[in-house]
Amino acid sequence: QVHLQQSGPGLVKPSGTLSLTCAVSGGSISSSNWWSWVRQPPGKGLEWIGEVYHSGNTNYNPSLKSRVTISIDKSKKQFSLKLTSVTAADTAVYYCARNRLVGARWAFDIWGQGTMVTVSS
Amino acid sequence: DIQMTQSPSSLSASVGDRVTITCQASQDISNYLNWYQQKPGKAPKLLIYDASNLETGVPSRFSGSGSGTDFTFTIYSLQPEDIATYYCQQYDSLLRSTFGGGTKVEIK
Repeated sequence: QVHLQQSGPGLVKPSGTLSLTCAVSGGSISSSNWWSWVRQPPGKGLEWIGEVYHSGNTNYNPSLKSRVTISIDKSKKQFSLKLTSVTAADTAVYYCARNRLVGARWAFDIWGQGTMVTVSS
Repeated sequence: DIQMTQSPSSLSASVGDRVTITCQASQDISNYLNWYQQKPGKAPKLLIYDASNLETGVPSRFSGSGSGTDFTFTIYSLQPEDIATYYCQQYDSLLRSTFGGGTKVEIK
């Protein structure tokens, strides 16, 4: 069974860069799945940030595209999120997730444990 | 971008009641609609994919229907363990995803 384990700092300074990593175990990171990041501000709903394929191809939420980079390291079986120029509005629980192909589209079927990231000086 | 409008934002029902949540897309998304359950402090859990297909291991009291722009999620007999927030989610043809605003379900 595939398991996702997140790591990274829980506190980032304003204007700094948020960096998180998601390690994949129990399965192949090179399988036919995309790997996503989703965030949830305190008390609010879910927002998709973007995704990466094992080829390195990426798709991003247009509202965050200018500040986001998602990358993959197949040798380490992990994928990563970098969000630059953060502000208090980026304070949220960040989740990594696996996208599984269902029919002709995708669904997030496996999730990491979540990382609360606070942007504060 | 495709917007997903979910209603109601919250509801209160009794154990055993039927609960219905709706999700409306701003444009036709065929049946490319998924539903998730999120309990407090936990990651979301996939319940239904492609509008009406039950994920493996999910109880049959959960059901989904709809196509095009209008979708419905139903819990046929609400149980205490179903207390959670439920989200709809779509993936468009450009491989961009959006979630609905969520529906918080509570026990009356």
